[in-house]
Amino acid sequence: AQTVTQSQPEMSVQEAETVTLSCTYDTSESDYYLFWYKQPPSRQMILVIRQEAYKQQNATENRFSVNFQKAAKSFSLKISDSQLGDAAMYFCAYSFVNDMRFGAGTRLTVKP
Amino acid sequence: DVKVTQSSRYLVKRTGEKVFLECVQDMDHENMFWYRQDPGLGLRLIYFSYDVKMKEKGDIPEGYSVSREKKERFSLILESASTNQTSMYLCATLVWGSGNTIYFGEGSWLTVV
Repeated sequence: AQTVTQSQPEMSVQEAETVTLSCTYDTSESDYYLFWYKQPPSRQMILVIRQEAYKQQNATENRFSVNFQKAAKSFSLKISDSQLGDAAMYFCAYSFVNDMRFGAGTRLTVKP
Repeated sequence: DVKVTQSSRYLVKRTGEKVFLECVQDMDHENMFWYRQDPGLGLRLIYFSYDVKMKEKGDIPEGYSVSREKKERFSLILESASTNQTSMYLCATLVWGSGNTIYFGEGSWLTVV
């Protein structure tokens, strides 16, 4: 089975600062998808950003961007200008055909 | 928008009870999933289904079964609930195209006493 590793159980950032969450994954496939999901205290999982492996350009969604390093199997999430509403659990995920795997999550705290 | 609805947000059941968790998606999506979420372990796949009456075991199927009689509905069944099945259960559906994205329900908190 493919594995997804998030090595940072918890991270903290000052409001308006930038923070990077790390994710590595293991796969033998060449064409797959990667995602970052946010889970706020309400527990509803929300898609933050997605990356298609065959696209070299890093995905960007407003203040959220990724650094996708395919050879290194690394997929980090950068949050710029952090806001209090960004405080949540963040899950990195890998998808290939019907299979979708998640990391253990990183809890992000935003300090005012 | 894709809508995934889990009928029960909070349940408290007794050990040995049979428990049904229901999930409905509002589109004609083929793939549906049940995950279990525990602190420090992330989301672990219990079962998934890629069509009506079709199912595949995930990583932790023991103690669970599933039912998919209609395309829009995917049920998770705990045949005889145990305290170690106290957890958050998330249902999801996979939308092909547009990045093959998975969409989640709001989750069901199950406590087994």
